[in-house]
Order: sequence, then C-alpha cells, then structure tokens
Amino acid sequence: GENVEQHPSTLSVQEGDSAVIKCTYSDSASNYFPWYKQELGKRPQLIIDIRSNVGEKKDQRIAVTLNKTAKHFSLHITETQPEDSAVYFCAASMGQAGTALIFGKGTTLSVSS
Amino acid sequence: GAGVSQSPSNKVTEKGKDVELRCDPISGHTALYWYRQSLGQGLEFLIYFQGNSAPDKSGLPSDRFSAERTGGSVSTLTIQRTQQEDSAVYLCASLSGPGREQYFGPGTRLTVT
Repeated sequence: GENVEQHPSTLSVQEGDSAVIKCTYSDSASNYFPWYKQELGKRPQLIIDIRSNVGEKKDQRIAVTLNKTAKHFSLHITETQPEDSAVYFCAASMGQAGTALIFGKGTTLSVSS
Repeated sequence: GAGVSQSPSNKVTEKGKDVELRCDPISGHTALYWYRQSLGQGLEFLIYFQGNSAPDKSGLPSDRFSAERTGGSVSTLTIQRTQQEDSAVYLCASLSGPGREQYFGPGTRLTVT
C-alpha cells in the first residue's frame, strides 16, 4: 500500500525566515498531493494541493513542488509569521482511484518572533 | 454552509464497553473517511466509504472496529470492547469526488479509562 514519509518532524524558524517540509511517497499511481495545517485543538484545514500534471503551484507565501520521477513533494513557506506555527501534514492519494489519502506523520512548525 | 459534524465531541468510557461515534458529512459528498489521531501523532487512515460501500477496510486496527454508512450520508464508527490504546481523537472527513479537498469534522475525543 501507499506509504508517506515526512521530514522533519519538528522545525523551528525565526519570523521572516523560510520553512521547507519534504515528503516522499511510494505509490507511483498517486496523483493528488494536498497539504493540511492543523492548529492546536483544531481540525486539519487544506492550505494547498498539487496534482500530478503540475510541477509547482504557488499561493501567496506558500508553494508546493512535485517531482513525480523521484516521488517526492515539498511545501515551502516564505516570510514566516508566528501565526504559521502549527502542525503541517502532507498526504498522497491512494492508487489511481485517488479517493483515499495517506498522511505523513506531520511536522510541528514553530515560528518565533 | 454546514460543514462536517461529529458527535459526541467528547466521550469517556470504561475499558471493555462499546462506543459508537457518529459523522454527518457535507450534504452531497459521496465519499466519507474515518481517521484516528493519537496525542501528538499523525492521521491514521481507518476506512473510507464511497456511497454506502467501503472499498478499503485495511486501516481498521482490529476486528473490534467496524463502520457503516446508510443512505449515502451519516456514518457510524463502532468500537467494541474498548481498550485504553483506543484513546484518541477520531476524525471524519468528506469530499465530493476524487482529488478534491477533504473537509474534516471537529473530531470526537475518546478516552478509555
């Protein structure tokens, strides 16, 4: 089955710095890769996603890159702010049907001012 | 509009008792997912429904866990003879189709004493 590895598990940056979180997946049939942000005590919320026919997608300070050959994708947050502090989860769709998602174990991002 | 709702929000039960968790997905969403999140951990996929059928039950931890969905809407996750290791937040999510955003419910925090 699909396996998603996420690194690092924790990440501490200074306000204004960039943060990068990386994920690898095992199922070459995966074609949808969302990123979720979960603030303490709250439910996960989608922040950005990318599909297999695109190599990069950007939304303001957030960008995601995908390398299908290497089966890895990354989240880039620029000009980090304290409110970016949260747990971030990557996910990959399971198989060609692409309905279920397998999540990485999460990265706890701390942005200090 | 109304999002995904779950009930109860908190459940404390004694070891060995059965519990039933409920998920009301967004109206019209055909796919529904159950995840488990232990304290400080990632999202563990349990089961998903496409309509009323469950194509993939591989994530269920043991035969004490079962789930059903009727009428293509409400789903219940049942845990029989609960154990302390079942303590976690159980999250439900729904989406309208493959490769689309999963909307998460607020979760049910289960504590087995």
